[in-house]
Amino acid sequence: GEDVEQSLFLSVREGDSSVINCTYTDSSSTYLYWYKQEPGAGLQLLTYIFSNMDMKQDQRLTVLLNKKDKHLSLRIADTQTGDSAIYFCAERGSSASKIIFGSGTRLSIRP
Amino acid sequence: DGGITQSPKYLFRKEGQNVTLSCEQNLNHDAMYWYRQDPGQGLRLIYYSQIVNDFQKGDIAEGYSVSREKKESFPLTVTSAQKNPTAFYLCASSIPRDSGSYTGELFFGEGSRLTVL
Repeated sequence: GEDVEQSLFLSVREGDSSVINCTYTDSSSTYLYWYKQEPGAGLQLLTYIFSNMDMKQDQRLTVLLNKKDKHLSLRIADTQTGDSAIYFCAERGSSASKIIFGSGTRLSIRP
Repeated sequence: DGGITQSPKYLFRKEGQNVTLSCEQNLNHDAMYWYRQDPGQGLRLIYYSQIVNDFQKGDIAEGYSVSREKKESFPLTVTSAQKNPTAFYLCASSIPRDSGSYTGELFFGEGSRLTVL
């Protein structure tokens, strides 16, 4: 079945760039997403990319998609303490009526 | 303001009791979903509904039940048959696929944390 994988933890220094990586197995994915979850709250969509795109930039966020390797990454430039959260990678297949989520990457910021 | 409201935010249950989690949305979305979140395991789909009076099992439906009598409401009942119900439960909705602005994005509520004593 479909699977989405990402590492569980990432620690970066304040002001540096954070890069969170994700791999997925469904070759028919149409949309891929990055969600952010702050403690005790629901998920909020950060950004998404359509499968026919290679890159998408939105202010401090850059998403890169390598469809051949089924690899998705999220780069956060100039990481701030407010970026501390869990980041989920997710994908929706072409015929799927549901979204498959990764296990989430907990991003922590050190001074 | 449009959004998804989940209640209660915190709930404690004794073993053997059923409990119902409420999810209401005023976004006029057709599709609604229930996910369960456990630490380090991400989100797992319990049930989803694409239209009123219809719903499908997700990956971990055993021990749960749902109803979809109204477009705005998709309550989840955690039954006594659910062996390990302590978790954070998230409700979500999405716009119709034939919408011109469709991106497949899910809109989430703030979650309900259920603890079984």
